[in-house]
Amino acid sequence: EAGVTQFPSHSVIEKGQTVTLRCDPISGHDNLYWYRRVMGKEIKFLLHFVKESKQDESGMPNNRFLAERTGGTYSTLKVQPAELEDSGVYFCASSQRSFNTGTGHSPLHFGNGTRLTVT
Amino acid sequence: QKEVEQNSGPLSVPEGAIASLNCTYSDRGSQSFFWYRQYSGKSPELIMSIYSNGDKEDGRFTAQLNKASQYVSLLIRDSQPSDSATYLCAVTPQGGSEKLVFGKGTKLTVNP
Repeated sequence: EAGVTQFPSHSVIEKGQTVTLRCDPISGHDNLYWYRRVMGKEIKFLLHFVKESKQDESGMPNNRFLAERTGGTYSTLKVQPAELEDSGVYFCASSQRSFNTGTGHSPLHFGNGTRLTVT
Repeated sequence: QKEVEQNSGPLSVPEGAIASLNCTYSDRGSQSFFWYRQYSGKSPELIMSIYSNGDKEDGRFTAQLNKASQYVSLLIRDSQPSDSATYLCAVTPQGGSEKLVFGKGTKLTVNP
């Protein structure tokens, strides 16, 4: 089975520009998550989709970030306009059902991430 | 106080030794606990999950959870150079949340 795929693997943009990150979850996985790791910090939750619906977007830093998952398949995360502090690695993850069932039967699978550098 | 704390390391052990990785968390209501392994430039990979107090063994890996002390650990027996990676501790907040709260990770180096 193909894993979680993220595009691009690297992106370098100037402050004020727009960048769109894409995530293709594992086929059949209804749950899709975005996380971010800023240099020197821990990986932090951004938001969670179930199919095309946003279940929790409490981790989104501000309104410059927009995540979509039209049709409940792949997801995009747009940053507009990008700021220097947005630099980091953006991870996408997916699971078939809730990964927090206490059974371990639906583990969370991460992609390799997109490294975003804003100059 | 940080929500999930890990020693950043680096932790260096000789091949064949036991590597001990520790993690403390601040949310007493946390319900689920995970250890991820991350090689440089790669995705975090789940290696252990634990949900109740005590030990859970899977091959060379043993996770230990003590909710009273808010402490979770990972032991790697017979460490191999291929175990060299960053190990991330992650917990879910109380309330059945779908979000993971990560520690910064501990970098482990296993020397041949």
